[in-house]
Amino acid sequence: ETGVTQSPTHLIKTRGQQVTLRCSSQSGHNTVSWYQQALGQGPQFIFQYYREEENGRGNFPPRFSGLQFPNYSSELNVNALELDDSALYLCASSFTGTGANVLTFGAGSRLTVL
Amino acid sequence: RKEVEQDPGPFNVPEGATVAFNCTYSNSASQSFFWYRQDCRKEPKLLMSVYSSGNEDGRFTAQLNRASQYISLLIRDSKLSDSATYLCVVTMFSGGYNKLIFGAGTRLAVHP
Repeated sequence: ETGVTQSPTHLIKTRGQQVTLRCSSQSGHNTVSWYQQALGQGPQFIFQYYREEENGRGNFPPRFSGLQFPNYSSELNVNALELDDSALYLCASSFTGTGANVLTFGAGSRLTVL
Repeated sequence: RKEVEQDPGPFNVPEGATVAFNCTYSNSASQSFFWYRQDCRKEPKLLMSVYSSGNEDGRFTAQLNRASQYISLLIRDSKLSDSATYLCVVTMFSGGYNKLIFGAGTRLAVHP
């Protein structure tokens, strides 16, 4: 059983640029959610994808967007990067069905915006 | 008021100590409760679910008090390897999906 993998692991961008982060979900999982974790904070929910559609969104502006593909992998895109976007971006997969959602996290993509 | 609040710590304890973390949540509609562990610069990993009846997993005991909207985690006989940040997580069904809300975490440092 493969876990959640994310790429790239680290990247540096400058203000105003755009970034795409990628995530492969754990086998058997059909739902992907993205979180932003700033230093010293808990993960903050960005959005969730199920059946290739966004079905939940946190308090993030529209310049944060995403996709889910038929194989359940996902992308997070951030346009017009700001300094405050510097954070660890975590992808988590889960199975939407019966029972509580238990998330399996990837190791994250650490973004630095200069 | 934050939806999930935790004491940030750090809790500095010697090996063998018993330490307790508390967490409060603001929304009484919250449905499921978890403790996650996050090592430095790593991803969060599920430590245990929390049930109203209380549950135990080895040295770890979790309690939920729905009336007080309070969750706790007790660690007995602390080990050096327990050093990490412990995240309290609540879920609620909102807008057609289960939403997970994380606390900011409580940092634990166990020293020899």
